[in-house]
Amino acid sequence: GQNIDQPTEMTATEGAIVQINCTYQTSGFNGLFWYQQHAGEAPTFLSYNVLDGLEEKGRFSSFLSRSKGYSYLLLKELQMKDSASYLCAGMDSNYQLIWGAGTKLIIKP
Amino acid sequence: GAVVSQHPSWVICKSGTSVKIECRSLDFQATTMFWYRQFPKQSLMLMATSNEGSKATYEQGVEKDKFLINHASLTLSTLTVTSAHPEDSSFYICSAREGRGYNEQFFGPGTRLTVL
Repeated sequence: GQNIDQPTEMTATEGAIVQINCTYQTSGFNGLFWYQQHAGEAPTFLSYNVLDGLEEKGRFSSFLSRSKGYSYLLLKELQMKDSASYLCAGMDSNYQLIWGAGTKLIIKP
Repeated sequence: GAVVSQHPSWVICKSGTSVKIECRSLDFQATTMFWYRQFPKQSLMLMATSNEGSKATYEQGVEKDKFLINHASLTLSTLTVTSAHPEDSSFYICSAREGRGYNEQFFGPGTRLTVL
């Protein structure tokens, strides 16, 4: 079956760095997405990886290892506004997104 | 990025009534639109996928006759919750994608439905 696993909740301190891990099993693979979702709002796109390696975009970076079925989202210089849920989603051979349950990130001052 | 709108943003209705939610892609043609629902503190659950001009493909466990989806044009899809009940209260989110292969899904702002 298809499955996305990520931690339920993480806590980090303002200004610090946090890494949110995601492991995936999909029928075929057409890439791995990360979305940010603030409470009561729709998800917003953060990153897309389809090749192995690290993609950096400002304070956010995303890494993919296809052989390990593993990805992580790295957030640097954490700000209070980064408190949100982070959703990992794998795209299968039918270009359908398989969603993880999301990781709630709590930022403390 | 592309913009997807949803209307209404929130709606309260009585049990037994029907509610229609609109999803529009404002600056691109959405070949495919997706409808999700999300309960508090849970992840997105895909309800159905619709391609313009075709019947929607519903996920297992989603009642076709209860959740009517119409994707009549490349910029508009509607979800009608028929004979709504309190257990249908949820956050409904649409997303739209241009093309059929990999393309980013753009999400609408969501509609919060409360059925009394």
